[in-house]
This record gives sequence, structure tokens and C-alpha cells, in this order.
Amino acid sequence: AAGVIQSPRHLIKEKRETATLKCYPIPRHDTVYWYQQGPGQDPQFLISFYEKMQSDKGSIPDRFSAQQFSDYHSELNMSSLELGDSALYFCASRIRGVTYEQYFGPGTRLTVT
Amino acid sequence: KNEVEQSPQNLTAQEGEFITINCSYSVGISALHWLQQHPGGGIVSLFMLSSGKKKHGRLIATINIQEKHSSLHITASHPRDSAVYICAARGSGGGADGLTFGKGTHLIIQP
Repeated sequence: AAGVIQSPRHLIKEKRETATLKCYPIPRHDTVYWYQQGPGQDPQFLISFYEKMQSDKGSIPDRFSAQQFSDYHSELNMSSLELGDSALYFCASRIRGVTYEQYFGPGTRLTVT
Repeated sequence: KNEVEQSPQNLTAQEGEFITINCSYSVGISALHWLQQHPGGGIVSLFMLSSGKKKHGRLIATINIQEKHSSLHITASHPRDSAVYICAARGSGGGADGLTFGKGTHLIIQP
């Protein structure tokens, strides 16, 4: 069965650079979530989208922005990267109105040096 | 904001033992997830519960909505069950879509 796809899987950036992470939800899933998991930390919810509109917002820094496109894939744009942004970034998806169950992608490991 | 507490934080057991991991939350929820994460690895969804009990193989998850408590049980534990188990709650408000995670239970099953 198709799963959530994230790219890239690993990314190394320097401080003050920008990064773009991509998430491709399971086919027919219309809702996408972004989570950040710092080293040794529990995941934190960043932001979610449904039908290209932001549906909920968590602890996403102002330096980050995200959007969902018409094919339901989503991109998380991160600017002015800081060392503290080094983390595993998970994307999850679900079908709104059918189930609350979220299906997680493998994550993108971002290292800021 | 929902607070999700898990216990124990760390658990080491012998192969074959019955394992219980507990999760409590502070405010009403619409769903609770049990997730598994291996070191450096991705997150796998084990269960999503809004009431009652679910069973999948050797794993059983229960939830008591009135007591705001859920448990994950592993029967006949095996070293391959060693992982971090995380409970995560979805709020009950219409806009409360993101999950709030517990800090995880590090489980080690020794042969």
C-alpha cells in the first residue's frame, strides 16, 4: 500500500540558509500535518492543512511557512536556519471526514551546522 | 492545551513478559493514538482509539474516556518489540487537529 512520502530524507544546511521539505500524502488523503522532533524530544505539532487552507497551527516559528498544493502535497519552507532547527521533521496525512487516524511519513532529518 | 503524560518513562523486561504502558491526558479528546518509534527511525501508528479496546496480534490498546486514561499492553513480549512507544492525543475541538504527544516510553525487551 502507498505510504506518505517525504523528501529529502536527509538534509544538511548551514546557519542562516533556507530549506524546503516536501510531503506527498497517501493518495486521496486531503489533510496534511507537519511535526518537529528535536533530539531526545517528543514530537511537536507545527501546522496542518486541509484543501490548501491552514486548518490548525501549533508551535511553528515565524521563520517557517508552509503550504498545500492542489495535488495535496505540502511543502515546509524554513528560512534563516538556526542550530536549534536541527530535528526530524515528520509529515502525516489523513482523509478528513472519514477517520481521525493519521499516517506518518518516514521523516526528513535536517541538520543545521 | 492538553497535557499528555506517560508512564513509565523507561521499562526493561525479559522476553515473554506482559508489558503495560500507561497514558493519561488532561482534557477531553476525540481520539488517542499509540505510536511506535525505533531509534533514529520513523513513526508507525499502532492504534487509534476513541473508545473501548482494540487488539492487533500481541498488542492490545484500551481507553477509558471518563478517567482520561489509556493503556497499551504487549503480550508475550519479544526483543523486536524494543522501541519507544508514544501516545498522542487529538483535541475535541473542531479546529484542534494537531496531535499532542507524550514523552514516550523507552521499552527494552531482553532475550
